[in-house]
Amino acid sequence: ETGVTQSPTHLIKTRGQQVTLRCSSQSGHNTVSWYQQALGQGPQFIFQYYREEENGRGNFPPRFSGLQFPNYSSELNVNALELDDSALYLCASSTPASGAIEQFFGPGTRLTVL
Amino acid sequence: AQKVTQAQTEISVVEKEDVTLDCVYETRDTTYYLFWYKQPPSGELVFLIRRNSFDEQNEISGRYSWNFQKSTSSFNFTITASQVVDSAVYFCALSEVRGNAGNMLTFGGGTRLMVKP
Repeated sequence: ETGVTQSPTHLIKTRGQQVTLRCSSQSGHNTVSWYQQALGQGPQFIFQYYREEENGRGNFPPRFSGLQFPNYSSELNVNALELDDSALYLCASSTPASGAIEQFFGPGTRLTVL
Repeated sequence: AQKVTQAQTEISVVEKEDVTLDCVYETRDTTYYLFWYKQPPSGELVFLIRRNSFDEQNEISGRYSWNFQKSTSSFNFTITASQVVDSAVYFCALSEVRGNAGNMLTFGGGTRLMVKP
């Protein structure tokens, strides 16, 4: 069984640019959540996708947007990058079989904004 | 609003010592789940344990044990006979129950555990 994968591993962008991060959920998992983890802090919930629709959002501005595809993979898009967007972005997938309680995390994408 | 507090930002122990990581949470929900995750230097969050709000039975799993006390809103995690490989950042997390669609995790700030040989 393949776990959650994310790409790219690392990314360097400059302020004002746009970035797309990708996540492939674990086999059979139809719910994908995205978290932002700033250095030295705990992860913060960005949003969640279920059946290709946004299903819950944290305290993040609209320039953070996402997509979920029919195969349940997902993208996180961030427009107009700011220096504070530098963080580890974690994707997590979950399955109705577990009541969608347990979330399985990918290795993350480390984004640096210069 | 939900909140998770891990007062210990960093703990240093010598190998084979027991160590307890503290976690205090706030929620208005009557049904919720509590988790502990481990984050090694590689960055991936590794699931350790889960407890639901209806089950206050404390358990031991290998070198791990946890103490869930609803009356004090605490969910502490103990590693017995610590090993160098236990060195990592440990996160306590709280999840409300939102049905089949999934549940948002609220994380604490983390406790960095350093186990010295």
